[in-house]
Amino acid sequence: EIVMTQSPATLSVSPGERAILSCRASQSVSGRLAWFQQKPGQAPRLLIYDASTRATGIPARFSGSGSGTEFTLTISGLQSEDFVVYYCQQYNNWPLTFGGGTKVEIK
Amino acid sequence: QVQLVESGGGVVQPGRSLRLSCAASGFNFRDYAMHWVRQAPDKGLEWVAVVGVDGNTKYYADSVKGRFTISRDNSKNTLSMQMNSLRVEDTAVYFCVRMPDAMDVWGQGTTVIVSS
Repeated sequence: EIVMTQSPATLSVSPGERAILSCRASQSVSGRLAWFQQKPGQAPRLLIYDASTRATGIPARFSGSGSGTEFTLTISGLQSEDFVVYYCQQYNNWPLTFGGGTKVEIK
Repeated sequence: QVQLVESGGGVVQPGRSLRLSCAASGFNFRDYAMHWVRQAPDKGLEWVAVVGVDGNTKYYADSVKGRFTISRDNSKNTLSMQMNSLRVEDTAVYFCVRMPDAMDVWGQGTTVIVSS
């Protein structure tokens, strides 16, 4: 099983600034990596797939990069609705696995 | 619009069974692999199972293998999951998810509580 490790667990950022979230895989997942945003009481929402492709309707302030085992989600110009939890997920191997999540909080 | 609506959750005693359903609408259900993903209270996301477009290809997480069975009815646009021998650790919100290239459409979830 591929273990996905997200860091940091909690990230404190001021509104309007940039947040950089990391995701590391225990072995290569090629580019088959997705990022999700989850607001309290809601289902996750797909932000990024194939490591760097924004999903339909996702604002340009969300961007993804990386390949192999190291991936990054960057959120530029943080808005109030962005202070929630983010998960990465690999879909290169079975079982599909998620990272433990990063909570972005207001500094 | 594209929509997934889960049902069937509830409170059940350990060792008992429950069947979840997911009604799909707004897209060609038969063209997509479908998954169940769960989230225990205040925890992260855990992939549970997948069924391929024809209903024959299935994979399960080790934590549910042998106890849960995923299935689909393409004529009724419905995804199901039979959950047997339920354990306290199966307590979670269960999401039905569509996955073409990535998990792009999620249902709102149905809550399963396993407690004596």
